[in-house]
Amino acid sequence: GAVVSQHPSWVICKSGTSVKIECRSLDFQATTMFWYRQFPKQSLMLMATSNEGSKATYEQGVEKDKFLINHASLTLSTLTVTSAHPEDSSFYICSARGSSGDFYNEQFFGPGTRLTVL
Amino acid sequence: QKEVEQNSGPLSVPEGAIASLNCTYSDRGSQSFFWYRQYSGKSPELIMSIYSNGDKEDGRFTAQLNKASQYVSLLIRDSQPSDSATYLCAVTRSGGSYIPTFGRGTSLIVHP
Repeated sequence: GAVVSQHPSWVICKSGTSVKIECRSLDFQATTMFWYRQFPKQSLMLMATSNEGSKATYEQGVEKDKFLINHASLTLSTLTVTSAHPEDSSFYICSARGSSGDFYNEQFFGPGTRLTVL
Repeated sequence: QKEVEQNSGPLSVPEGAIASLNCTYSDRGSQSFFWYRQYSGKSPELIMSIYSNGDKEDGRFTAQLNKASQYVSLLIRDSQPSDSATYLCAVTRSGGSYIPTFGRGTSLIVHP
């Protein structure tokens, strides 16, 4: 399958600071990337859909000013958690959907970023 | 609202048995179906994709799709303890603008 990388894999930050998470599709182009959040023992929760070159579409209840998403190229999307608070501590996972070729329409997940806000 | 339903389990099977995981969906326009495996504390990993009615086999895994019944299943033959994980079903319409809908997952436990 295709490879999606995510960086950093874990981060600890102080309350009030901002954290940036990068998601890259390494061997395929992804017009669309997705950002999910998952709390322990709970299911995936879609936060936003990111399309290359356009504004992200946020799910209901997700604050777009708090979770800034930029999809600058066909292989890179970033999520910035601004003014993080302890309740933002979670497992953030990106995924990329292939836009052509062998991986067309298939969605591959990055390894996730575990965020802890103190 | 598009829904994907899975039994949360846990489904417990002995090593070497066949594990059968089921998923139903509500959107009749769905065209793409995926099974993911998620180990505890890790992100989901794509196991199988299926687009046409019938069976699709890949190693020990077989995905079965019945669009008329809005039903997709995953069979795992010769189950191993390493197969113990949560299995997520995802369903979507084809095309760049569609967002996959995920089920809540079925927990599978394969005991020695």
